[in-house]
Amino acid sequence: DIQMTQSPSTLSASVGDRVTITCRASQYINKWLAWYQQKPGKAPKLLIYKASNLESGVPSRFSGSGSGTEFTLTISSLQPDDFATYYCQQYNSYLYTFGQGTKLEIK
Amino acid sequence: QVQLVESGGGLVKPGTSLRLSCAVSGFSFSDYHMAWIRQAPGKGLEWVAYISGSATTTYYADSVKGRFTISKDNAKNTLHLQMNSLKAEDTAVYYCARDKFVGSSSPSDSWGQGTLVTVSS
Repeated sequence: DIQMTQSPSTLSASVGDRVTITCRASQYINKWLAWYQQKPGKAPKLLIYKASNLESGVPSRFSGSGSGTEFTLTISSLQPDDFATYYCQQYNSYLYTFGQGTKLEIK
Repeated sequence: QVQLVESGGGLVKPGTSLRLSCAVSGFSFSDYHMAWIRQAPGKGLEWVAYISGSATTTYYADSVKGRFTISKDNAKNTLHLQMNSLKAEDTAVYYCARDKFVGSSSPSDSWGQGTLVTVSS
């Protein structure tokens, strides 16, 4: 199985900050990577697919980049609604494994 | 609009069985690959089982292989997860989820609200 490793595990930031979360795959996955946002008690929400494609309805302050084994999710200017946990997921090969998550906290 | 509604969760004893269901509406169920994804309390997401749109292909996480069976009733627009020989480590919220694109590898763009399975003596 492909292992996905996110960093950092926790990130403290303030409203208006620019933040970046990194996701590394244990083997080549081309651009078959997605990012999700999850809030407590809710199902995950798809933000980005194919590494850099913004899901419909997702604010443009979210962006993704990368290919191969290294990927990033960037939020250009944090808003209060963005404090949540973020997961990457590879869908290059079954099983579609997730990273362990990055909790974005208010500083 | 697309809707996925899970049911069937509950408190069960180790070694017993449970069947989860996911009723879907708002899209052509037979066209889409589907998955069950779980989340243990306070933990991350674990992709558990997958089934192709036609229900001819399935994949399972090693942690559930041989114990869980995913199935799809395209006539009733319902996805199932039969869980046998349940263990304490199967305790989690179970989500059903739909692939974003028809006929190709894609992430999950629609999710149910989740159903809690608790395995405890």
